[in-house]
Amino acid sequence: DTEVTQTPKHLVMGMTNKKSLKCEQHMGHRAMYWYKQKAKKPPELMFVYSYEKLSINESVPSRFSPECPNSSLLNLHLHALQPEDSALYLCASSPGRPVKGNEQFFGPGTRLTVL
Amino acid sequence: QQQVKQSPQSLIVQKGGISIINCAYENTAFDYFPWYQQFPGKGPALLIAIRPDVSEKKEGRFTISFNKSAKQFSLHIMDSQPGDSATYFCAASPYGGATNKLIFGTGTLLAVQP
Repeated sequence: DTEVTQTPKHLVMGMTNKKSLKCEQHMGHRAMYWYKQKAKKPPELMFVYSYEKLSINESVPSRFSPECPNSSLLNLHLHALQPEDSALYLCASSPGRPVKGNEQFFGPGTRLTVL
Repeated sequence: QQQVKQSPQSLIVQKGGISIINCAYENTAFDYFPWYQQFPGKGPALLIAIRPDVSEKKEGRFTISFNKSAKQFSLHIMDSQPGDSATYFCAASPYGGATNKLIFGTGTLLAVQP
C-alpha cells in the first residue's frame, strides 16, 4: 500500500462549527505533515509530526489543532475558522528516517469551504 | 536564501514537443530536489527527484537536469502529451533529516495542445 488517504473529500462548515480532517497511511512512515494550499499556489507547510510528536508548527493559528493518535493516523481539528481558511488541505507522509531520505507522498486533499 | 525560483509561470506546448521548466535555488544546504505534478483538485504526486551527486536523472519521458555550480535544475518532458497538462512544482530540501521541510517553487501551469 503506497497511498495516503484523506477524509472527507469535501467539507463545508460555518464559522462556529467544529470539524476534523483525517489522514491515514499504511506505508510504515514515521513522519506526517499537514499543508494548506490556496488556488494557483504551492502547498504551504502547517505542521510536522515525527514519531507521533509535533516537531514543526509553522506559527499556525490556534483554530487549527493537529493530533497524531498513532503512527498511521493524523487529524486536524478545526474550530472557529474564517472564510480565508477556505483551501485544499493536504496531508503527506515520509519515511521519517534519515537514511531513507525525505520523499514525501501526498494524499488527495480535503477541499474546505468556510461560510 | 530559502526561496526556490521557478519559471515560467505558464507554458503551452504542442503535442509531441518538449516541455522545459526551470528552477533556481540559493541555499547550498539543499541537496534533494523533487518535482511534483498536480492535477486540478488532486494532491501533488511525486514525479521524479534528484540529488546533486548526478547531473541528470531520467524516468521514462521525464528528465531532471542538475547544474550544481549554477544552483539550477530543470524538468524536461519529452514527447509531451495532453495528459501531461497539469501544474508542476519543483522543490528543494536538505537530504537525510527525518523531517526536512520542502521549499516549493511557485509552480508552472503546463498546457499541452493536441
